Amino acid sequence: KAGVTQTPRYLIKTRGQQVTLSCSPISGHRSVSWYQQTPGQGLQFLFEYFSETQRNKGNFPGRFSGRQFSNSRSEMNVSTLELGDSALYLCASSLGDRGFSSPLHFGNGTRLTVT
Amino acid sequence: AQSVTQPDIHITVSEGASLELRCNYSYGATPYLFWYVQSPGQGLQLLLKYFSGDTLVQGIKGFEAEFKRSQSSFNLRKPSVHWSDAAEYFCAVGANSGGYQKVTFGTGTKLQVIP
Repeated sequence: KAGVTQTPRYLIKTRGQQVTLSCSPISGHRSVSWYQQTPGQGLQFLFEYFSETQRNKGNFPGRFSGRQFSNSRSEMNVSTLELGDSALYLCASSLGDRGFSSPLHFGNGTRLTVT
Repeated sequence: AQSVTQPDIHITVSEGASLELRCNYSYGATPYLFWYVQSPGQGLQLLLKYFSGDTLVQGIKGFEAEFKRSQSSFNLRKPSVHWSDAAEYFCAVGANSGGYQKVTFGTGTKLQVIP
């Protein structure tokens, strides 16, 4: 079974631009969560989608948004990029309907650099 | 709200030596506890999890962890470290918060293995 796939692996953007990151979950997984990882803040939860609906949301500004498609693939968008948005963005999928009995499976992440 | 503390940012051990990584959590009820490992340039991989029952849980790659309610701890151990264990380790707590399930990660412990 293929793992979680995130594209692209690396991105370099300029302040003020916007960016879209993509995540393809493991087949059969209906939940997709997004995390921002930085050396200073560690792993910060952005949001979770389940069956095309945002189910949970972390404490990030509205510039960070996401969506999930009917095939469970998810995209994350960051508008008006700031230098502080430079981070590794991780996507994780799970079955989503068995609570914590269904652990998170992570992709390798997208490394975003904002200059 | 739940929280996780990993007091050691960086640990260095010799190959073949034993390892213990510390994790303390804060949560009002019995939490769901996890240990994940992240190798350079990759996403997180689940090592083991604790939900209930036996307080000593076995995971992959020869790791184990012990849940101690009285100390609010969930320390990760390995009797003999291999060079391939060099990575960053994250403790995480899952809990029901505000009607949904939330996973909170610690800030991680980076493990260096010397020959």
